[in-house]
Amino acid sequence: EPEVTQTPSHQVTQMGQEVILRCVPISNHLYFYWYRQILGQKVEFLVSFYNNEISEKSEIFDDQFSVERPDGSNFTLKIRSTKLEDSAMYFCASRRGTSDNNEQFFGPGTRLTVL
Amino acid sequence: DQQVKQNSPSLSVQEGRISILNCDYTNSMFDYFLWYKKYPAEGPTFLISISSIKDKNEDGRFTVFLNKSAKHLSLHIVPSQPGDSAVYFCAAIASGSRLTFGEGTQLTVNP
Repeated sequence: EPEVTQTPSHQVTQMGQEVILRCVPISNHLYFYWYRQILGQKVEFLVSFYNNEISEKSEIFDDQFSVERPDGSNFTLKIRSTKLEDSAMYFCASRRGTSDNNEQFFGPGTRLTVL
Repeated sequence: DQQVKQNSPSLSVQEGRISILNCDYTNSMFDYFLWYKKYPAEGPTFLISISSIKDKNEDGRFTVFLNKSAKHLSLHIVPSQPGDSAVYFCAAIASGSRLTFGEGTQLTVNP
């Protein structure tokens, strides 16, 4: 069964460094998402992406964040200058995008640790 | 952000019995609801969903009930199995497609 994949599974970085989290969505899906879950907190929406542009973003998704679909398969989240509070699980998700289908399918996540 | 709330952090049931997980919401613009299951070190796995035009949706052992007037939904699992032990998240969609999640309920099914 097709699934969303994410790399790396765990990323450790120093505060102020740039990180890129990678995702391969399900191949026939059209909508792509990033969510994060800080330890002990809710899963929070960051951004959605459709037709090669951001379709929606949350207040969390400020100028230090960016997303890109550099080719036909990868979807990346870049954090430009990491802060301690960016430490979280980051989940990528994708959705097929038909009008009667709202289900989003999640990858296994990348655990980001900022030291 | 308290738009979606799962008031029970944990639930413990015996194998073979019914598990009932509850979720309340405040945003009347939500028109689609989903339940996800999550094991440790994995991403959320989609279970079942329901549109606001329905009050019930069933898929095998899983049934979701929606009470729009009470802004309440529930997930019933029957019969419960030990493999169902996981964290269950309720999520909702308003306009756009972002998911708004509840806090999650840890279900433990005892053999």
